[in-house]
Amino acid sequence: NAGVTQTPKFQVLKTGQSMTLQCAQDMNHNSMYWYRQDPGMGLRLIYYSASEGTTDKGEVPNGYNVSRLNKREFSLRLESAAPSQTSVYFCASSERAELEAFFGQGTRLTVV
Amino acid sequence: SQQGEEDPQALSIQEGENATMNCSYKTSINNLQWYRQNSGRGLVHLILIRSNEREKHSGRLRVTLDTSKKSSSLLITASRAADTASYFCATDAPESSGDKLTFGTGTRLAVRP
Repeated sequence: NAGVTQTPKFQVLKTGQSMTLQCAQDMNHNSMYWYRQDPGMGLRLIYYSASEGTTDKGEVPNGYNVSRLNKREFSLRLESAAPSQTSVYFCASSERAELEAFFGQGTRLTVV
Repeated sequence: SQQGEEDPQALSIQEGENATMNCSYKTSINNLQWYRQNSGRGLVHLILIRSNEREKHSGRLRVTLDTSKKSSSLLITASRAADTASYFCATDAPESSGDKLTFGTGTRLAVRP
């Protein structure tokens, strides 16, 4: 049972480049989330999806887009990367927001 | 701004001592959860307490919830060096639109052997 799988684990981008972070879960969960984690800031919610076909903004959505491709997959896209987007990104899923969430291992992104 | 705030930001104790960390949140909730994060890893769920519960135990963990003060505490008893990690509280937010899970800023716990 793989749980939540994120790819890639590490990425270095130049300012202005684009990329997509992939996330897949095999637990048939309805809710999926993307967070970023910066030193001293805890986890901040970027976007979330309460069910297949729906997405909503979290606390820090600017500069990102998401796609809930199907129930399993929730991708995060940076259209034009900026140094301020250097961070560790985590994908998570849960049956519902009030229940236990399962996390991927994270993507460490550096924008130079 | 984030829903939860943990206190203290950092805590250093000796092995065998108890560690207490606190979480305050802003809106009403269904449940409050605590998670642990080892350095460089994803978060792992520790315990969930429902809004109609006041206290819950799981092994060496004890969680309390005071909905009137919008606060929770996590107590780790008889700490071990392996408990060294960051601890986060997380809440859902039924009064807000959507079905989202938001986290606090975390407490970094260091347990000295």
